[in-house]
Amino acid sequence: DGGITQSPKYLFRKEGQNVTLSCEQNLNHDAMYWYRQDPGQGLRLIYYSQIVNDFQKGDIAEGYSVSREKKESFPLTVTSAQKNPTAFYLCASSIGSLRGTDTQYFGPGTRLTVL
Amino acid sequence: GQQVMQIPQYQHVQEGEDFTTYCNSSTTLSNIQWYKQRPGGHPVFLIQLVKSGEVKKQKRLTFQFGEAKKNSSLHITATQTTDVGTYFCNRGSTLGRLYFGRGTQLTVWP
Repeated sequence: DGGITQSPKYLFRKEGQNVTLSCEQNLNHDAMYWYRQDPGQGLRLIYYSQIVNDFQKGDIAEGYSVSREKKESFPLTVTSAQKNPTAFYLCASSIGSLRGTDTQYFGPGTRLTVL
Repeated sequence: GQQVMQIPQYQHVQEGEDFTTYCNSSTTLSNIQWYKQRPGGHPVFLIQLVKSGEVKKQKRLTFQFGEAKKNSSLHITATQTTDVGTYFCNRGSTLGRLYFGRGTQLTVWP
């Protein structure tokens, strides 16, 4: 919620172009996540990172890439290999206790439209 | 395997009616969380249940965790238009990620 920023709110790109979505948090959280949401659908995990310089693929990682060079930043690149990139992208963070009980705090999201 | 099943997917109610969404798992859960996403917004944490048979209330919202810790429910009494949105349950894992259900989209007619 508060403390996580995603920019821009709306993004338009031409087909075949790579695009990077920004996610920044000032909550001092170790863990960060990227989700994709399609209309009327649930949240699907793309990538997640439990600690700086480490990240894991989620359920739909194909066509996406991430980096975690800083604790507060977790940018997502949607590559031209992603066949259906138009979607609502949500970034989240949590303390990262690995106990499975952490609350996730979400950013406001970025709506990506590929023309 | 890891996912939780959530039903119904959609629910339309008249303002003042009650609403319930259910979350089911084939395996025992250590905990379950509930989130709400308003139309056009982002998910916001509502509550976490950890104990078998646990019941928690937030004003008109009642959350339950089953005795076997394989299911959970969210019940809203006398819905209001402000209750509109999608309600998600999820289960955590020791890998640090959460497994979200598909959500129940609630529409409230005035």
